[in-house]
Amino acid sequence: AQSVTQLGSHVSVSEGALVLLRCNYSSSVPPYLFWYVQYPNQGLQLLLKYTTGATLVKGINGFEAEFKKSETSFHLTKPSAHMSDAAEYFCAVSGAGGTSYGKLTFGQGTILTVHP
Amino acid sequence: IAGITQAPTSQILAAGRRMTLRCTQDMRHNAMYWYRQDLGLGLRLIHYSNTAGTTGKGEVPDGYSVSRANTDDFPLTLASAVPSQTSVYFCASPRTRSYNEQFFGPGTRLTVL
Repeated sequence: AQSVTQLGSHVSVSEGALVLLRCNYSSSVPPYLFWYVQYPNQGLQLLLKYTTGATLVKGINGFEAEFKKSETSFHLTKPSAHMSDAAEYFCAVSGAGGTSYGKLTFGQGTILTVHP
Repeated sequence: IAGITQAPTSQILAAGRRMTLRCTQDMRHNAMYWYRQDLGLGLRLIHYSNTAGTTGKGEVPDGYSVSRANTDDFPLTLASAVPSQTSVYFCASPRTRSYNEQFFGPGTRLTVL
C-alpha cells in the first residue's frame, strides 16, 4: 500500500522568494517519487523524479527535490519564484516493485500562487 | 509527434447514458492507465493495463470498464453515467521503457447532469 500527503492545499509566495512545497509518503516497497506540474486547463507535466541513486534530484524550470528516507519526505523547492511558476503541483509515488509497480498514487495537490 | 491523444476534449452527458472516452498512444508502449482528477483529491487510478489483452482495477474502478484489444488504444467506458462521475479524465502511458515515468494525455472534461 502507498499514500501521499501534501501539506498545504494552497501556498502563496512573492516573486523572487523561496518556494517550498511539502510532500510526505508511505510505501510498503522502495518508492519511486515524482513531482508533476499542471498549468490551468492542461495535462500533467513531469517536473522531476527520484528512482535510485542521488537523493537530491534536479528537475526542469529550476526546481529540485530531496528524498529523505528517514523522514519519508520528498519536498519540492525552488530558490527564486517566478510568476510563470503559478500552477498546481502534485507529488506522486509508485512502488519500485510488486503489485504497485508503475501505478502512481497522487497527493491532493498544492496550488502555488506567485505575487508580484 | 509521439504522444497520447484523448477524445473528446469535453462532453456534457445526461445521467444514465453510456459514454466511451477514447485514448490512443503512438509510442508502442505496453502500459496504459486511466485516472480521474477531482478538486482536493488529486488524481486517482481507475483502471490500468500492463499489456494488450490484460487489464486491472485501480483505486476507484466502480462504474467504469476498460478494454485493451491492441497496444495503441485503451478506451474507458461508463456504462450508465452518474453525476459523481463528473470529473476530468486523464489517460497516461510511460514516456520511456521505464514503467514509472508516466506521460499524460491532455484530458477529457466530463460533466454528467
